[in-house]
Amino acid sequence: SSELTQDPAVSVALGQTVRITCQGDSLRNFYASWYQQKPGQAPILVLYDKNKRPSGVPDRFSGSNSGDTASLTISGAQAEDEANYFCNSRDSSRGHLEEFGGGTKLTVL
Amino acid sequence: QLQLQQSGPGLVKPSETLSLTCTVSDGSISSSYYYWAWIRQPPGKGLEWIGNIYYTGATSYHTSLRSRVTISADTLKNQFFLRLSSVTAADTAVYFCARHFPGYTSSYFDYWGQGTLVTVSS
Repeated sequence: SSELTQDPAVSVALGQTVRITCQGDSLRNFYASWYQQKPGQAPILVLYDKNKRPSGVPDRFSGSNSGDTASLTISGAQAEDEANYFCNSRDSSRGHLEEFGGGTKLTVL
Repeated sequence: QLQLQQSGPGLVKPSETLSLTCTVSDGSISSSYYYWAWIRQPPGKGLEWIGNIYYTGATSYHTSLRSRVTISADTLKNQFFLRLSSVTAADTAVYFCARHFPGYTSSYFDYWGQGTLVTVSS
């Protein structure tokens, strides 16, 4: 089981704002990265470091951190944002280096 | 643009060894900034980091898989490899290769292979 906890499912009305969270002790010392995955496809990096977006990722995606929780916010969600979202962080405390959250299925209504 | 192309069998028998190759193009695995990783995803489940390799040959592995996994690389061919021994049905998953930036305050996987579904079955 993952030491990064995500809500299994979240929904948002089209055009509204949604926040997806990721909680874990490692996030007190390490910024999360976030990935979008659509069915049958490889994950795509959408946020990394404190709040950086790779080229091509819309600016409606943003990130924040507070204590042991990292958040991915989508401002003005679009139909194409419907996907699974995974967070990732580094955790040296359990002997392995990288871990992922269990994922959040985002539904755009 | 960097591309990662995976190859390898999609069916492996129980107790045998899973072997996959990731070929990198339009970039070099000998870059000093990046590691090269394998990640897997059981059907309908989340992502699990397996391990990674630096071009020097240094490797790191997930604790739970360390006894069965080997990641290696051929810098001349710009390829890196995954071998997972003594597989069981629990190893059935989509396997991804990815480029990994292991920063001091943030790490991320910015380029991914297309994924290979590996089914363990007799």
